[in-house]
Amino acid sequence: AQKVTQAQTEISVVEKEDVTLDCVYETRDTTYYLFWYKQPPSGELVFLIRRNSFDEQNEISGRYSWNFQKSTSSFNFTITASQVVDSAVYFCALRPTTSGTYKYIFGTGTRLKVLA
Amino acid sequence: GAGVSQSPSNKVTEKGKDVELRCDPISGHTALYWYRQSLGQGLEFLIYFQGNSAPDKSGLPSDRFSAERTGGSVSTLTIQRTQQEDSAVYLCASSFQGVSYEQYFGPGTRLTVT
Repeated sequence: AQKVTQAQTEISVVEKEDVTLDCVYETRDTTYYLFWYKQPPSGELVFLIRRNSFDEQNEISGRYSWNFQKSTSSFNFTITASQVVDSAVYFCALRPTTSGTYKYIFGTGTRLKVLA
Repeated sequence: GAGVSQSPSNKVTEKGKDVELRCDPISGHTALYWYRQSLGQGLEFLIYFQGNSAPDKSGLPSDRFSAERTGGSVSTLTIQRTQQEDSAVYLCASSFQGVSYEQYFGPGTRLTVT
C-alpha cells in the first residue's frame, strides 16, 4: 500500500516554542520522493521541501529542519522558535516512482496554531 | 513569473446545475493535477494530465465528473448535475514532467452547491 499518515490532527504551541510535525509513510518502491507543503489561512499550498529516498541527510533552512529516517519510514518536520506566521496546515506527501504511477499521495495534514 | 491561476475563485450553484472550473498552469509545465479538498480534510486526487492526455483518471468520483486539457495548457473540470456533496475546494496543480518535481498549486475554486 502507498500511504502517508500524519497522526497529529492539530497542534497548538506558544510563540517561540519548538514544534515537530510527524509524517510516516508506506511504499513498496525503493525509489520515491517526499514533500512538505504549507497551506496558510489564505488557502494556497506552498512547497517547502523535497527529499529523495536515497538522501537521508537532514536538512535545515532557517528555523525549519527536516529529519528523514528510512528505518522508521518517517519524514518529520521541526519548526524552531515558532512564530504566529507559522500558523497553517502542513501536508506531507509521497511520490512513488512505480511505472505507471502518477499520483502524489498526501497525508490528511496537521493544523498548527501558534499563539502569541 | 505567473503562478497557477484558477477561475472562478468562488462558485455558488443550485443542485442539479452543471459547473465548469478552469485552471491555467504555469507555462512550460506539462503535468497537471486536479484535487478536491473538503472542509478540514486532506487532498483527494481526481485526475492527472500529461500534456493533453489523462493517463490517470482514477480519482474522479463518478461519471458526473470529467476534465479536459487543450493545447497542453488550460484545463477544465466539469461537474454535471451537481450534488450537495460536491461542495468543496477544487485545487489545480502543475509541475514539470517527472517524478522528482514539486507541484505548484493554484488558489483553488470554492464550490458551494445549494
